[in-house]
Amino acid sequence: DAGVIQSPRHEVTEMGQEVTLRCKPISGHDYLFWYRQTMMRGLELLIYFNNNVPIDDSGMPEDRFSAKMPNASFSTLKIQPSEPRDSAVYFCASSPPGQGYNEQFFGPGTRLTVL
Amino acid sequence: AQSVTQPDIHITVSEGASLELRCNYSYGATPYLFWYVQSPGQGLQLLLKYFSGDTLVQGIKGFEAEFKRSQSSFNLRKPSVHWSDAAEYFCAVAGTASKLTFGTGTRLQVTL
Repeated sequence: DAGVIQSPRHEVTEMGQEVTLRCKPISGHDYLFWYRQTMMRGLELLIYFNNNVPIDDSGMPEDRFSAKMPNASFSTLKIQPSEPRDSAVYFCASSPPGQGYNEQFFGPGTRLTVL
Repeated sequence: AQSVTQPDIHITVSEGASLELRCNYSYGATPYLFWYVQSPGQGLQLLLKYFSGDTLVQGIKGFEAEFKRSQSSFNLRKPSVHWSDAAEYFCAVAGTASKLTFGTGTRLQVTL
């Protein structure tokens, strides 16, 4: 199995631009999580899905952030418009069926820099 | 609300020495506890997890952790550290639903 796939691995953009991060979870997993990691705030859960349905988006910082999961094999996290404070590493993780207490498998992350 | 505290931001040990990384959690019921490791530029990898049963759990790469309910702790140990263990280590707790709450991490440096 290829593991969780994220693209792009690095993204540099200018303030005000739209940014779209992509994630392909491990086949057969029905939980998908988006995290953000910064030096100041550590690792934060932004949103998670179960069977393509958003379950908890309380970690999404503001309306500029949105996430979708149109099918079991693809999810996007969009920031529009982007701001310098959005600079961080964004991780996607997936988990097999169950209560989500199973191991979460993390992707390699997308390093976002907003100038 | 559930929370995790990792009191040590940075630890340095010599190769071959023993290691203990501290983790304290806050959760009203029996927690689900995890230790993850993150190498530079990589995602997180699960080292071990505790759900129930034996309070001493074994993980990958020779790591183990002990759940102590009375101390609300889940410390990670390794008897002999290797240079390749240098990384950042995260403790996490899962309570209700499927959310993991991570600690702030402990960065391990290994000197030769």
